[in-house]
Amino acid sequence: GAVVSQHPSWVICKSGTSVKIECRSLDFQATTMFWYRQFPKQSLMLMATSNEGSKATYEQGVEKDKFLINHASLTLSTLTVTSAHPEDSSFYICSARTWTDGSRNTIYFGEGSWLTVV
Amino acid sequence: GDSVTQMEGPVTLSEEAFLTINCTYTATGYPSLFWYVQYPGEGLQLLLKATKADDKGSNKGFEATYRKETTSFHLEKGSVQVSDSAVYFCALSTGGTSYGKLTFGQGTILTVHP
Repeated sequence: GAVVSQHPSWVICKSGTSVKIECRSLDFQATTMFWYRQFPKQSLMLMATSNEGSKATYEQGVEKDKFLINHASLTLSTLTVTSAHPEDSSFYICSARTWTDGSRNTIYFGEGSWLTVV
Repeated sequence: GDSVTQMEGPVTLSEEAFLTINCTYTATGYPSLFWYVQYPGEGLQLLLKATKADDKGSNKGFEATYRKETTSFHLEKGSVQVSDSAVYFCALSTGGTSYGKLTFGQGTILTVHP
């Protein structure tokens, strides 16, 4: 079946540096991907909608200059956390939307990426 | 805007007990409804879904029925196992180009003891 893969699963970076997280659809084309953030013991909050070949749509309150999203191909979206700070430490997870059965959308989630900023 | 409200947790049960996790929603139009499960340290797995009123989603002994009149999508299982211990999220997605953009409830931690 369809699989969405995220990389890296775990990353530790120093404060002030940037870190990139990749989200790949392995056996289907995803024109639309979504990025979520989950704080410890809390729910998932949508950060942005990533559209292939166009700019991402960010949710209210999400800094687009800090969380750069690029969806340059039909199988890859990347989230770059720029100038990371400890408060950016979180679980980031992506999902991808695909068509199945010719008309029905299906949503697949990646495994998630744990970011720790020290 | 759209919202999902889940019952407060955590929920602690003994093995083979009956499980109910309540979920209600507010949305414009007719959303699709989902239950996702998250095991410790892992990502999200789709447990079940329903796309229209009166649909029943089911998987691995879990069931939930899309009730439009009460705007609810309660999760049930007749006999839980220790392996069901996880965090359960109720979610909705509206249709059209927004499909896939999920609004999640706050999650309910389930712990099942032997």
